[in-house]
Amino acid sequence: DAGITQSPRYKITETGRQVTLMCHQTWSHSYMFWYRQDLGHGLRLIYYSAAADITDKGEVPDGYVVSRSKTENFPLTLESATRSQTSVYFCASSVLRQGRTGELFFGEGSRLTVL
Amino acid sequence: SQQGEEDPQALSIQEGENATMNCSYKTSINNLQWYRQNSGRGLVHLILIRSNEREKHSGRLRVTLDTSKKSSSLLITASRAADTASYFCATDAGWGSYKLIFGSGTRLLVRP
Repeated sequence: DAGITQSPRYKITETGRQVTLMCHQTWSHSYMFWYRQDLGHGLRLIYYSAAADITDKGEVPDGYVVSRSKTENFPLTLESATRSQTSVYFCASSVLRQGRTGELFFGEGSRLTVL
Repeated sequence: SQQGEEDPQALSIQEGENATMNCSYKTSINNLQWYRQNSGRGLVHLILIRSNEREKHSGRLRVTLDTSKKSSSLLITASRAADTASYFCATDAGWGSYKLIFGSGTRLLVRP
């Protein structure tokens, strides 16, 4: 089905382990984003990407790594998970319209618990 | 940070009433967007208003933008129980910027 999909939807891991959250979109949108959502903080931007091999830091990038070898995929890796990274992670994609940010299309989220 | 801030944080109204949510931001923008999030789901785009627009309508939604005050409001008219959700505003960082920064949201409860 067309759209943006995240996997896994739920993940429990332990402190210090590496975790990768996957994001795949079928629209060939150039722009992709990773946000985390925590109570009291709304959504905070972790990393974003304008195209394959072009990524940039957002508001809260520490402890995360991203890559974008293909337009449709934008995985987010927690190299050594910490309890403070327990959160719901949302991937989104978008196109620019005349140099302006267009609407974002969100996945359903990945709920990560770090014990 | 140019994060938008929504006000109020929570709003409880009766079905049929209007709901108004406000958003303030800090820096110049190209456009401002509003999103809705049902519990446990991803965000869904509602409406986008450009910096040169003052008001925009979509169905029961009315959005205003005052760039001089760096503020926006979302009005939902004749609310329904199904409108119960969290609502977020999001702003960009001006021309050519493609990152979108979200506020902390308003939780709306519409009582039947």
